[in-house]
Amino acid sequence: DARVTQTPRDKVTEMGQEVTMRCQPILGHNTVFWYRQTMMQGLELLAYFRNRAPLDDSGMPKDRFSAEMPDATLATLKIQPSEPRDSAVYFCASGFGETQYFGPGTRLLVL
Amino acid sequence: AQSVTQPDIHITVSEGASLELRCNYSYGATPYLFWYVQSPGQGLQLLLKYFSGDTLVQGIKGFEAEFKRSQSSFNLRKPSVHWSDAAEYFCAVRRSNDYKLSFGAGTTVTVRA
Repeated sequence: DARVTQTPRDKVTEMGQEVTMRCQPILGHNTVFWYRQTMMQGLELLAYFRNRAPLDDSGMPKDRFSAEMPDATLATLKIQPSEPRDSAVYFCASGFGETQYFGPGTRLLVL
Repeated sequence: AQSVTQPDIHITVSEGASLELRCNYSYGATPYLFWYVQSPGQGLQLLLKYFSGDTLVQGIKGFEAEFKRSQSSFNLRKPSVHWSDAAEYFCAVRRSNDYKLSFGAGTTVTVRA
């Protein structure tokens, strides 16, 4: 049963620190998405990639967030420097065709 | 831009009773429609999807949804709810020629014994 994996599952850090979240998409999927979920905003799309190329990162604060796909098996989302308002659950999803499959998420708390 | 509305923030249902969750979308053409479920502390799991064809679609865990173009709706139903169905449910929509998913705000379902 192929699944999207994300690490770490939980992260507590202090304001100003760098945070890197990792995602392993399902093998064979050619699209990868990063979402952020908060109580206030719900699920927001931050970025998405197709065939490792970034297609849209308009949902991402450019000054502190960056997303990359160094290879087909790894996607990263980095926050530098982190701020308390970045506290949220970050989901990665991958897909091939019409459907997206979500990972378990990384719960981030920035103190 | 497409939008998704889930009118009910919270629904409480008795175990064994039927459940219907509402979803309305705003989009000019027929979109691709999805229902996801999120259990506490978990990621989103796909329940079912509609792209075209038969407007009544069957999903996992005994769920079904019906696409009604005239009402711009895609309501989720289950005839008999189990305690394990307590979760948050999200309706989502995307254009057929785009990868972006737009999510509703979610409906939290509580199941009472």
